[in-house]
Amino acid sequence: DQQVKQNSPSLSVQEGRISILNCDYTNSMFDYFLWYKKYPAEGPTFLISISSIKDKNEDGRFTVFLNKSAKHLSLHIVPSQPGDSAVYFCAASSGNSGNTPLVFGKGTRLSVIA
Amino acid sequence: DTGVSQDPRHKITKRGQNVTFRCDPISEHNRLYWYRQTLGQGPEFLTYFQNEAQLEKSRLLSDRFSAERPKGSFSTLEIQRTEQGDSAMYLCASSLGQGGYMGETQYFGPGTRLLVL
Repeated sequence: DQQVKQNSPSLSVQEGRISILNCDYTNSMFDYFLWYKKYPAEGPTFLISISSIKDKNEDGRFTVFLNKSAKHLSLHIVPSQPGDSAVYFCAASSGNSGNTPLVFGKGTRLSVIA
Repeated sequence: DTGVSQDPRHKITKRGQNVTFRCDPISEHNRLYWYRQTLGQGPEFLTYFQNEAQLEKSRLLSDRFSAERPKGSFSTLEIQRTEQGDSAMYLCASSLGQGGYMGETQYFGPGTRLLVL
């Protein structure tokens, strides 16, 4: 059973607009969440993370929102740029940090159209 | 330091052969992780180390798989008697584990792509 779900396999957005990528989780023990970006033939690159004690974390164009009661998080990219086109993975852990094994979703392929 | 490195980047082997992959983590990182990614899936955890101690193994890690980190620096992942189902991208990551320190994350290498014919 999938403990971390990314229900949208793909998303297309116009350059300059907002991209919103969603992620749901089922395991109540998860307390730390991360977003990674992956280009073909490369390893995942860390983007942003959030602890369960927060509901929002922002880093430049990237903001992650966490709704614990709904077991839902989302990544907002504003403004979207063509270089943001990649596969985005949501990941979760239960060690209150990224220092324990991560459980990943299947990913969402984002295409930013110029 | 240029990040996590993995060798080889690609490996083609015949079913039944043994293969070994190497991972060199970021130098000051004491935790090292192995993941496997197949087409259309996210990375799946295999095993991880703190220094030379192997802390956890996933049920995905069958008896044909073994991982070591003998001196707490680089790590090797060996697959014996490879099967076609072992074809995947094998990813290594490292982190500076401080026992519950909030905010640390795992940094991934470029992966080793294995094809078993």
